Amino acid sequence: NAGVMQNPRHLVRRRGQEARLRCSPMKGHSHVYWYRQLPEEGLKFMVYLQKENIIDESGMPKERFSAEFPKEGPSILRIQQVVRGDSAAYFCASSPTTPTSGGEETQYFGPGTRLLVL
Amino acid sequence: AQSVTQLDSHVSVSEGTPVLLRCNYSSSYSPSLFWYVQHPNKGLQLLLKYTSAATLVKGINGFEAEFKKSETSFHLTKPSAHMSDAAEYFCVVSDTRDYKLSFGAGTTVTVRA
Repeated sequence: NAGVMQNPRHLVRRRGQEARLRCSPMKGHSHVYWYRQLPEEGLKFMVYLQKENIIDESGMPKERFSAEFPKEGPSILRIQQVVRGDSAAYFCASSPTTPTSGGEETQYFGPGTRLLVL
Repeated sequence: AQSVTQLDSHVSVSEGTPVLLRCNYSSSYSPSLFWYVQHPNKGLQLLLKYTSAATLVKGINGFEAEFKKSETSFHLTKPSAHMSDAAEYFCVVSDTRDYKLSFGAGTTVTVRA
């Protein structure tokens, strides 16, 4: 059973370009979470998605950031017009259920995408 | 609201000696607590978790943690460090019925030969 997969593992963009980060959850997992890790800090929650629905985007910056989890295919975190402050590691996690449904709360993390904005 | 404080940003131990990583948390409700490990340029691996069962939790690779409600602590220990334990360790809390994980700032462990 493959774990959470993320690609690319490393991404370099110039200021003003777009970054697209992809995440394929573990098989059987329908809940996806994105976290951002700034240098020397712990991970911070960004967004929680289920198939075709954004459940909670309270941790997403209000502008330039968007996320989706289509019916088919991976979840995508999209950053438009990147700036140097977007340089970070972006981690995706998945779970089979959620605590709010009385289910398993353990989140399984992917290897992350390290974004560098020049 | 919940938060986590990892009391040491760096811990250095000799191979074969005990490891102690300290974590204090605050949580409005009954917490779930986790320790994750992150090796350089790798993803996060779950070491162990506490979800209101036994207060002493055993994890992988010989690690264990004890939940102490009176002290709001969840310290991670290992009796004998191995070179492969060199990594960054994150203490994580979530309210039992919440999906948002709150991470501590991390503790970097170095192991001396």
